[in-house]
Amino acid sequence: DVKVTQSSRYLVKRTGEKVFLECVQDMDHENMFWYRQDPGLGLRLIYFSYDVKMKEKGDIPEGYSVSREKKERFSLILESASTNQTSMYLCASRTDNEQFFGPGTRLTVL
Amino acid sequence: AQSVTQLDSQVPVFEEAPVELRCNYSSSVSVYLFWYVQYPNQGLQLLLKYLSGSTLVKGINGFEAEFNKSQTSFHLRKPSVHISDTAEYFCAVSQGSNDYKLSFGAGTTVTVRA
Repeated sequence: DVKVTQSSRYLVKRTGEKVFLECVQDMDHENMFWYRQDPGLGLRLIYFSYDVKMKEKGDIPEGYSVSREKKERFSLILESASTNQTSMYLCASRTDNEQFFGPGTRLTVL
Repeated sequence: AQSVTQLDSQVPVFEEAPVELRCNYSSSVSVYLFWYVQYPNQGLQLLLKYLSGSTLVKGINGFEAEFNKSQTSFHLRKPSVHISDTAEYFCAVSQGSNDYKLSFGAGTTVTVRA
């Protein structure tokens, strides 16, 4: 079974803090993704990576950056957290036209 | 970019009744279509996908969906729901095998009552 894990299920941070969300997959997938999920908006793509050290902006990259130094790990970074970044963050990895999702991190920025 | 419309945001349904969740997409090219389910406090799980071939696709847990190219729709159905089908359901589209990205609809929350 494909397994995608995320470092935290729940996270509370203060405005202006630097926040790291970590995602690890164990199936040697090349493609990895970060989404945020908000009620009534579905999932929106923040960034994706199609290989190590390669990344592309998604639909809503503003206020975020990413890092992919190793194939199995894809990190999402909020350089200076703001309250409008309070959301559920989902990581996914992809093979054969299917994306596999982690359990999500619910981030609250106070 | 693809646009995906899920026509119902909330669908209440009684146990053992049928359910249909509607999904329309905007595209004039070949697409791959997906339905995902999200149970409370969990990530997304693939229910079924259409890549090519038969327009009627069967998935897990008794769900099926029909691809209708002329109506650009991919509606999800189950003939008899259980309490355990209470979840949020997402329709998603990609533009074929060279498109890494999925565009998601806003989601439909299904609540099954006894």
